[in-house]
Amino acid sequence: DAGVIQSPRHEVTEMGQEVTLRCKPISGHNSLFWYRQTMMRGLELLIYFNNNVPIDDSGMPEDRFSAKMPNASFSTLKIQPSEPRDSAVYFCASSTRTVLSPQSYEQYFGPGTRLTVT
Amino acid sequence: GIQVEQSPPDLILQEGANSTLRCNFSDSVNNLQWFHQNPWGQLINLFYIPSGTKQNGRLSATTVATERYSLLYISSSQTTDSGVYFCAVVNSGYSTLTFGKGTMLLVSP
Repeated sequence: DAGVIQSPRHEVTEMGQEVTLRCKPISGHNSLFWYRQTMMRGLELLIYFNNNVPIDDSGMPEDRFSAKMPNASFSTLKIQPSEPRDSAVYFCASSTRTVLSPQSYEQYFGPGTRLTVT
Repeated sequence: GIQVEQSPPDLILQEGANSTLRCNFSDSVNNLQWFHQNPWGQLINLFYIPSGTKQNGRLSATTVATERYSLLYISSSQTTDSGVYFCAVVNSGYSTLTFGKGTMLLVSP
């Protein structure tokens, strides 16, 4: 398997521009997670989907951030308008966990997208 | 929410040395994972270990869920082991990973 695929790997944009990050989960995984890593806050969850449905978006910092999962093999995280404080590494992860299952399963992370907003 | 504390925060080793990294968590968990973030930023799965002991080559891990801690052992360390080691847990009754701040390991030749 190719693992979790993210694109682009690096993105440099100017403040005010729209940024779209993309993720393809591991085939057969039904849960998808978006995380952000910064020096100040470490790794933190932004949002996660189960069976393409957003379950918990309490980590999304503000209305400028939105995420979609139109099908089981694709998700996007959009920032509009972007700000310098959004500069971070954004990771996507997937797992086979289900909401109804009492157990949690192993999450696998993509290589991340390094976003720089100037 | 659940608290995850890792120790030590930094560690410098000579190549060939052994080390133990610790992860304490404040509540019951149903998922615990150890990751290695290499110098290129990739998060590599080391262990999925909500309880018990596992071994993979020079690395092994033990989680004692009843006492709320996990240990990661690195034996005969190599320079390629350098990077940040993260412990992450899923609090029972919840669904998402909470990460510790990590242990930064530098193995010198």
